Amino acid sequence: DADVTQTPRNRITKTGKRIMLECSQTKGHDRMYWYRQDPGLGLRLIYYSFDVKDINKGEISDGYSVSRQAQAKFSLSLESAIPNQTALYFCATSDSRTGDTEAFFGQGTRLTVV
Amino acid sequence: GNSVTQMEGPVTLSEEAFLTINCTYTATGYPSLFWYVQYPGEGLQLLLKATKADDKGSNKGFEATYRKETTSFHLEKGSVQVSDSAVYFCALSGRSGNTGKLIFGQGTTLQVKP
Repeated sequence: DADVTQTPRNRITKTGKRIMLECSQTKGHDRMYWYRQDPGLGLRLIYYSFDVKDINKGEISDGYSVSRQAQAKFSLSLESAIPNQTALYFCATSDSRTGDTEAFFGQGTRLTVV
Repeated sequence: GNSVTQMEGPVTLSEEAFLTINCTYTATGYPSLFWYVQYPGEGLQLLLKATKADDKGSNKGFEATYRKETTSFHLEKGSVQVSDSAVYFCALSGRSGNTGKLIFGQGTTLQVKP
């Protein structure tokens, strides 16, 4: 089983719909992140969380919200999806205790907004 | 602010050819530097990393040296294989606050032909 699991893996939704992407991890890490990947732009940070009560905006948070339901779960919501939110979304984790900034990624969710 | 610039792809090589993917960065202080690889249909995996100037990261025949004087972290491999075909991302993590947030380059697609 994957250490960082994202659901769904693929999703097609209509403009204006609310959608939630979920991420769960079994690594015991305290930090979790949501990134968005677009061709030619690499990955950009949407939101990040250092623990259940600490949530922070990344560089492209507009149009998104997150919830850290437990240390192991971090979900990303699009309140009213729009076509330019079509992208590949990745959840990642890291462990602040190691002092190492290595991140571990899920397999991604491909979201298409039509 | 911090940023990462990679050479544009795609890069197409024959098997056993020498590979170089250029990466330069802009950052305050002394960031940690990473190369991540994304195989088709998968999430990102850490390939190698370096945390201070002149460090050399290496893994699976790939190498990169943290060059502070040229602000570079070029990825090299002496003899590529078809199985190395993937997208490669250079990334940095700033030391300030040790947040674990990553800033990515745009990614370079490598295709290796038999």
